[in-house]
Amino acid sequence: ELKVEQNPLFLSMQEGKNYTIYCNYSTTSDRLYWYRQDPGKSLESLFVLLSNGAVKQEGRLMASLDTKARLSTLHITAAVHDLSATYFCAVEDAGTASKLTFGTGTRLQVTL
Amino acid sequence: NAGVMQNPRHLVRRRGQEARLRCSPMKGHSHVYWYRQLPEEGLKFMVYLQKENIIDESGMPKERFSAEFPKEGPSILRIQQVVRGDSAAYFCASSRTGTSSSGNTIYFGEGSWLTVV
Repeated sequence: ELKVEQNPLFLSMQEGKNYTIYCNYSTTSDRLYWYRQDPGKSLESLFVLLSNGAVKQEGRLMASLDTKARLSTLHITAAVHDLSATYFCAVEDAGTASKLTFGTGTRLQVTL
Repeated sequence: NAGVMQNPRHLVRRRGQEARLRCSPMKGHSHVYWYRQLPEEGLKFMVYLQKENIIDESGMPKERFSAEFPKEGPSILRIQQVVRGDSAAYFCASSRTGTSSSGNTIYFGEGSWLTVV
């Protein structure tokens, strides 16, 4: 059974600081997603990482994937208050179509 | 190009009633997935359907829950005799195919929030 773990579960950081959220998964996967969720809202797709070594950047967020280590990171550069949300990674289980297994989420709070 | 459409967005049911949640996939998508998100938790896979077929229902509770995706019309997630523990957000997602490929992305709907009182 595929397991996905994120850490930290909660992150409070000051504006302007950098930090990294980690996503570990337990079995081989072809694809990893990062999503953002605001309270009471749906999921906003941030990144889809398709291969080993993939790196994608959008604004202050950068995601990377190491399939050999079964690890993805979401790096936040110079955080701003608007980035406060819960971030989920989700892994597509190889061989089981497009079913996703989600991590527990990281609640990010950026303080002024 | 409308995205994945879910309704109702919010639903309140008394214990013992039935809840029906509807999902219309994106245009051109024939694969539908339902996920449940309990408060303060991540999303958990429930069921994967294609038109008129259930492909994987490994995440569905054994009783009271059912799902369908008829040839015509939206996919329906049905919860009979709801209990307080069914209160959650139910998200539908769709994709063009059911396989991993660079051109196949999963899109999520806005969710349906079920509250059982």
